[in-house]
Amino acid sequence: EAAVTQSPRNKVAVTGGKVTLSCNQTNNHNNMYWYRQDTGHGLRLIHYSYGAGSTEKGDIPDGYKASRPSQENFSLILELATPSQTSVYFCASGDWDNYAEQFFGPGTRLTVL
Amino acid sequence: GDSVTQTEGPVTLSEGTSLTVNCSYETKQYPTLFWYVQYPGEGPQLLFKVPKANEKGSNRGFEATYNKEATSFHLQKASVQESDSAVYYCAPHYNQGKLIFGQGTKLSIKP
Repeated sequence: EAAVTQSPRNKVAVTGGKVTLSCNQTNNHNNMYWYRQDTGHGLRLIHYSYGAGSTEKGDIPDGYKASRPSQENFSLILELATPSQTSVYFCASGDWDNYAEQFFGPGTRLTVL
Repeated sequence: GDSVTQTEGPVTLSEGTSLTVNCSYETKQYPTLFWYVQYPGEGPQLLFKVPKANEKGSNRGFEATYNKEATSFHLQKASVQESDSAVYYCAPHYNQGKLIFGQGTKLSIKP
């Protein structure tokens, strides 16, 4: 039983369309994170949250919004998708215990045509 | 600002040889240091972490020592296996619950 799940696992979108990536965690962690992974850049932080109702900007937030409606769920929203947002997106959860160790989901591959 | 630099990949080794992946972090603080591993088609997972300076972490035959003076946390393994083929990330945690990931080092092991 995976503790961090993501949906969809694969998504093809059109330029200018709206895309929502969803993440659910059963770890009961306060913190959740969205990253994107691109060759040559490693993992880059887009948005994160410290709890339900809170969202914070990460290192590359432009073009993305985030929503944390509950402890378990954290969404990443691309209001107007662009081809430059083609990437693999990872969600993670973590807490202040265990020195902020993060637990990752399996990733979502997004292609924007 | 805080940043981390690690060995640029890809790195290709033969099974049974030794591995070192360098990791250096720039900071005025003393972070908790993490190594994550990512196998193909999966999300990153924790390999091990070291919260205190001058201590060593280890898991699955991999190890790294938190060198405060040199601001380094190099990953080592004496004898790699084909199953070690993966991408390895060094990641310090300074504050706010945010990990700073290096660019990753892709490791391929030839049988």
